[in-house]
Amino acid sequence: DAGVTQSPTHLIKTRGQQVTLRCSPKSGHDTVSWYQQALGQGPQFIFQYYEEEERQRGNFPDRFSGHQFPNYSSELNVNALLLGDSALYLCASSLASGPLHFGNGTRLTVT
Amino acid sequence: AQSVTQLDSQVPVFEEAPVELRCNYSSSVSVYLFWYVQYPNQGLQLLLKYLSGSTLVESINGFEAEFNKSQTSFHLRKPSVHISDTAEYFCAVTLSYTGGFKTIFGAGTRLFVKA
Repeated sequence: DAGVTQSPTHLIKTRGQQVTLRCSPKSGHDTVSWYQQALGQGPQFIFQYYEEEERQRGNFPDRFSGHQFPNYSSELNVNALLLGDSALYLCASSLASGPLHFGNGTRLTVT
Repeated sequence: AQSVTQLDSQVPVFEEAPVELRCNYSSSVSVYLFWYVQYPNQGLQLLLKYLSGSTLVESINGFEAEFNKSQTSFHLRKPSVHISDTAEYFCAVTLSYTGGFKTIFGAGTRLFVKA
């Protein structure tokens, strides 16, 4: 039974560019949440998707957007990248409000 | 505003000693409580959870946490730690809203077990 998978594992982008990160949830899960984890900090909630709609959002600017597809997979898009966007981006899936299952993350470096 | 505070950023402890990792939260809505663990070079994984019922919950590897509603705390304890418990521990709170929920995390506590 595959867990949460994220792609790519690493990514290097230049300031001002746009990036798309992808996530496939654990089998049977219908909810996907995205987090940003800076070095030495806890995961910061970006947003959550359920039934292809954004249900909850954290304190992130509109440059951060997402999408959920009918097969429950999800994308995180970040526009106009800033140096401060460099972080580990984590995808977590769950069944409703149950425990989160995390992927191994995408390490984004903005130069 | 909702928040999770982990009072210690690092906790060094000798093997076989007891340990307590502290977590306090603030919320105006109902919550579920979790501890997640991140071992070196691994992803985040669930350690234990409190959803309802008994306020004392246990994990399979000897950790336990007690939900204290009056003090809004969910401290994690283990009576005797092992070298293999060295990891970063995150306290998390799931907040329920109409139409959705979100889980917020503390900043983490790095547990370092010394021989």
